[in-house]
Amino acid sequence: GEDVEQSLFLSVREGDSSVINCTYTDSSSTYLYWYKQEPGAGLQLLTYIFSNMDMKQDQRLTVLLNKKDKHLSLRIADTQTGDSAIYFCAESPSSGGYNKLIFGAGTRLAVHP
Amino acid sequence: SQTIHQWPATLVQPVGSPLSLECTVEGTSNPNLYWYRQAAGRGLQLLFYSVGIGQISSEVPQNLSASRPQDRQFILSSKKLLLSDSGFYLCAWSSVGGRIYGYTFGSGTRLTVV
Repeated sequence: GEDVEQSLFLSVREGDSSVINCTYTDSSSTYLYWYKQEPGAGLQLLTYIFSNMDMKQDQRLTVLLNKKDKHLSLRIADTQTGDSAIYFCAESPSSGGYNKLIFGAGTRLAVHP
Repeated sequence: SQTIHQWPATLVQPVGSPLSLECTVEGTSNPNLYWYRQAAGRGLQLLFYSVGIGQISSEVPQNLSASRPQDRQFILSSKKLLLSDSGFYLCAWSSVGGRIYGYTFGSGTRLTVV
């Protein structure tokens, strides 16, 4: 079946690194995504990784993909208060007939001084 | 560039009243369109998706319906709202056949049914 799981909450101190984890089930997913949702707003695409990659780095963001374990993580270096938001992991199964995305329940990141 | 517009931003409606939420996309043609609902503190629930004009697929049975009267217009409706319809409604689009950018979301509508 299709399912994406994430822990619901993460609290970190400002300046520390944050690591948000995600597991997915569909090994056919060619792209995996991280979205950010700030309070009262829509979802914003943060980054994505193609399934033939192990790692992708984009400024303070590092995405790690372990295809064997179907595990995806998002690391935010030097976490700031502006990073406080809900982070959604999503997989893109190749089946489904349309550009189907399966979202996790979201991880709420709280950054405290 | 492509943009997605969703309105209204907030809405307070009494139980039993009708609902119409609108979403339009600019700068692209023949997009896939989606309606999601997010209950307070919860994840995203896909309500409807559309791959073309007049083509609507429903993911879950519910009190809501969707229509796509034009290529870049997607409407979410209800004839009689229930308290359980309260939530944050998000419209999204994606390009046909192209997965690299995932979905682009609108800014959402906060619906409170009282």
